[in-house]
Amino acid sequence: GNSVTQMEGPVTLSEEAFLTINCTYTATGYPSLFWYVQYPGEGLQLLLKATKADDKGSNKGFEATYRKETTSFHLEKGSVQVSDSAVYFCALTGGSARQLTFGSGTQLTVLP
Amino acid sequence: SAVISQKPSRDICQRGTSLTIQCQVDSQVTMMFWYRQQPGQSLTLIATANQGSEATYESGFVIDKFPISRPNLTFSTLTVSNMSPEDSSIYLCSDSTGENTEAFFGQGTRLTVV
Repeated sequence: GNSVTQMEGPVTLSEEAFLTINCTYTATGYPSLFWYVQYPGEGLQLLLKATKADDKGSNKGFEATYRKETTSFHLEKGSVQVSDSAVYFCALTGGSARQLTFGSGTQLTVLP
Repeated sequence: SAVISQKPSRDICQRGTSLTIQCQVDSQVTMMFWYRQQPGQSLTLIATANQGSEATYESGFVIDKFPISRPNLTFSTLTVSNMSPEDSSIYLCSDSTGENTEAFFGQGTRLTVV
């Protein structure tokens, strides 16, 4: 079955630091990959997505590239802000299973 | 993108009672899903809400505890029955418009059982 392994947290960074959150997956076929973000007290918001190998998803300065050869979809941002403090979830969907499979989530705290 | 509204947004309930959570989508969607997020944890799929047929439950979740309705293509409800403190979680609904597409989520229902 499908599974997502996500970098353990929590992660604490200073403002303007570089961010990487690792995500690897196991799936049959060709899944679509997503990063969702959950700000404190809120639901999940789609941050970015990639639907095929070598696609790069990007949004709000965040990027992730779909690497089929390493089955990875690592999230990066060159300069984080305090407002980026949230929980980040890597997820996938694929094949006939339309529901999402989530990673464990990574709590990011950015200090001023 | 679909807009999904959930209510209530939060509730505090007595053990042994039941709570029904409503999920409304602003457009017709083929499938709707209900997830549970226990404190500090990731999301776990409870069931797929199918329009016109019974919901499909994941392992560890049963219809008697989490009955689901899906009367049309824009609306679904999840009931958490005979609640205990272990049911304290965030419950989220989401949609699906097709294979390999992103899902959109409601803002969640934060349930505390005392």
